[in-house]
Amino acid sequence: AQKITQTQPGMFVQEKEAVTLDCTYDTSDPSYGLFWYKQPSSGEMIFLIYQGSYDQQNATEGRYSLNFQKARKSANLVISASQLGDSAMYFCAMRDREGDQGGKLIFGQGTELSVKP
Amino acid sequence: DAMVIQNPRYQVTQFGKPVTLSCSQTLNHNVMYWYQQKSSQAPKLLFHYYDKDFNNEADTPDNFQSRRPNTSFCFLDIRSPGLGDAAMYLCATSRDRPGTYEQYFGPGTRLTVT
Repeated sequence: AQKITQTQPGMFVQEKEAVTLDCTYDTSDPSYGLFWYKQPSSGEMIFLIYQGSYDQQNATEGRYSLNFQKARKSANLVISASQLGDSAMYFCAMRDREGDQGGKLIFGQGTELSVKP
Repeated sequence: DAMVIQNPRYQVTQFGKPVTLSCSQTLNHNVMYWYQQKSSQAPKLLFHYYDKDFNNEADTPDNFQSRRPNTSFCFLDIRSPGLGDAAMYLCATSRDRPGTYEQYFGPGTRLTVT
């Protein structure tokens, strides 16, 4: 069965520093996608970044990058130059059966990130 | 701006009194999802529509129903809310095509059951 594990319930980072949020996954499907979402206290889930299992390069979106290590089954999120507005819950998620209709997202338990001024 | 809209943002209902939550989208995405998220937990998928095809998760209680009258709208009906159904309900949409599998979420409806 597919599973996403986030082992850091909470993280602190100093403003302007970089931070890495850990995510490991387990799947027997050769084709899958990995996602990171941000959820501020307001509740809305905000899509940050996506990595496909066959992508050769690590995904980047502005200050967000995904450190994809396929052999280790890890997909860590790196946030560079942290800002106070980055304080939120961060969820790692996986979609299996890429290329097939109806694959669903499976979420990890989340990491609460607090950015200190 | 294209977006996912949920109404109401906050809903209070009485134990056992039916309630309907609504979701609309201007993204023209073919897939719409309903998630339940309880405090300090990850979102849990209840069901989704792939175009007009309804897909229920195996562990979604019968108390939860959904309707999708057209591409833009989707409703979540809770027939007899219990105290355990108090949660944030998130609607999401996706184009669900290769390279565009990301889901876009609405702001959520926070349901309180008294």
